[in-house]
Amino acid sequence: AQSVTQLDSQVPVFEEAPVELRCNYSSSVSVYLFWYVQYPNQGLQLLLKYLSGSTLVKGINGFEAEFNKSQTSFHLRKPSVHISDTAEYFCAVSDQGSSASKIIFGSGTRLSIRP
Amino acid sequence: GAVVSQHPSWVICKSGTSVKIECRSLDFQATTMFWYRQFPKQSLMLMATSNEGSKATYEQGVEKDKFLINHASLTLSTLTVTSAHPEDSSFYICSAREGGARNTEAFFGQGTRLTVV
Repeated sequence: AQSVTQLDSQVPVFEEAPVELRCNYSSSVSVYLFWYVQYPNQGLQLLLKYLSGSTLVKGINGFEAEFNKSQTSFHLRKPSVHISDTAEYFCAVSDQGSSASKIIFGSGTRLSIRP
Repeated sequence: GAVVSQHPSWVICKSGTSVKIECRSLDFQATTMFWYRQFPKQSLMLMATSNEGSKATYEQGVEKDKFLINHASLTLSTLTVTSAHPEDSSFYICSAREGGARNTEAFFGQGTRLTVV
């Protein structure tokens, strides 16, 4: 079974500062990894995903993440944040088995941007 | 990207009544659909996984007789909360995944906020 740990429940940063949201996963099989963003009272929007190949993945809104197999991590980064990035961010994992493979979410990290 | 439409976006119902939530994949065939529940300021907890034409597989601790899931077609799954109680008030989110080579990513609906009074 897979599991995801997001180490930080809240991350406050100043506008235009860089940010890193941490994610570690556990799995005995090969996985797909995802980062989603959720704005209040809305569903989830995919920021980026790692399927295979290059370990550095670029997503929407200037976000990127790096897959590190040895450290079982998939940390999300942005070099300069904006007020509009204030939201809840979820890391998720799914094994590569089939379309029925579960997508398991981490506990989420609330990113708050200070002007 | 693929679109998943969830309806209604919010609903208020009286205690003891049943509520049905629909999840539709608009431009792809969803071999698998997932239903999640999210409490305020918490993560998404998987309730069940359904494959078209089969019975849903429920996660441990989820009452299958209370949360009825139907996945009768490749574009529609429904979640019915039966005999709803205030503790069932929550944000419910569905997601859908296409089968075959495009089965890497699941697409999410916009969620349904259920309030039971």
